[in-house]
Amino acid sequence: EPEVTQTPSHQVTQMGQEVILRCVPISNHLYFYWYRQILGQKVEFLVSFYNNEISEKSEIFDDQFSVERPDGSNFTLKIRSTKLEDSAMYFCASSKDRVGASQPQHFGDGTRLSIL
Amino acid sequence: GESVGLHLPTLSVQEGDNSIINCAYSNSASDYFIWYKQESGKGPQFIIDIRSNMDKRQGQRVTVLLNKTVKHLSLQIAATQPGDSAVYFCAEPFNQAGTALIFGKGTTLSVSS
Repeated sequence: EPEVTQTPSHQVTQMGQEVILRCVPISNHLYFYWYRQILGQKVEFLVSFYNNEISEKSEIFDDQFSVERPDGSNFTLKIRSTKLEDSAMYFCASSKDRVGASQPQHFGDGTRLSIL
Repeated sequence: GESVGLHLPTLSVQEGDNSIINCAYSNSASDYFIWYKQESGKGPQFIIDIRSNMDKRQGQRVTVLLNKTVKHLSLQIAATQPGDSAVYFCAEPFNQAGTALIFGKGTTLSVSS
């Protein structure tokens, strides 16, 4: 069964440094997402991406965050200047169509980001 | 505020029992709901979904029930197994534009042998 894959599984970064989290969505999916989950809390939406542009973003997704689909298979999340509070699990997801069209999102196993 | 939530943070059952995990939602306009299972150290795994024009949907050992009158969603797991131990989340579209999901806080299901 096709899967969303994420790398690295764990990233440790000094505060203030830039970090790039990478994802390979399921190949025939058109919508891509990033979510985060702070330890012990619920999963929170960050951003959705379709047709090479951002569809929606939450309040969490401020100017420090950016997303990119640099080629036909990868989808990346960049945090320009990391803060301690950016420490969390970051999940990438993809779907064939919008969730509003009753299409579920499929998630990768996440990247644990630790900011020191 | 949060439109999706769960009644109980934890549920403990014996292997072989049936489990029922509940979720209350507040947005009566929501028309699609998804249940996810999250095992320790892994991402949310899609279990089953339901549209609002249905009140019941069955999968393999799982059934989702939707009661739109009281805005309540439940996940029933038949013959619960130790491998079912995980955190279960219900989720719905964040808004009518329908690209984002909003998750509830989750119920931790513990299955003992």
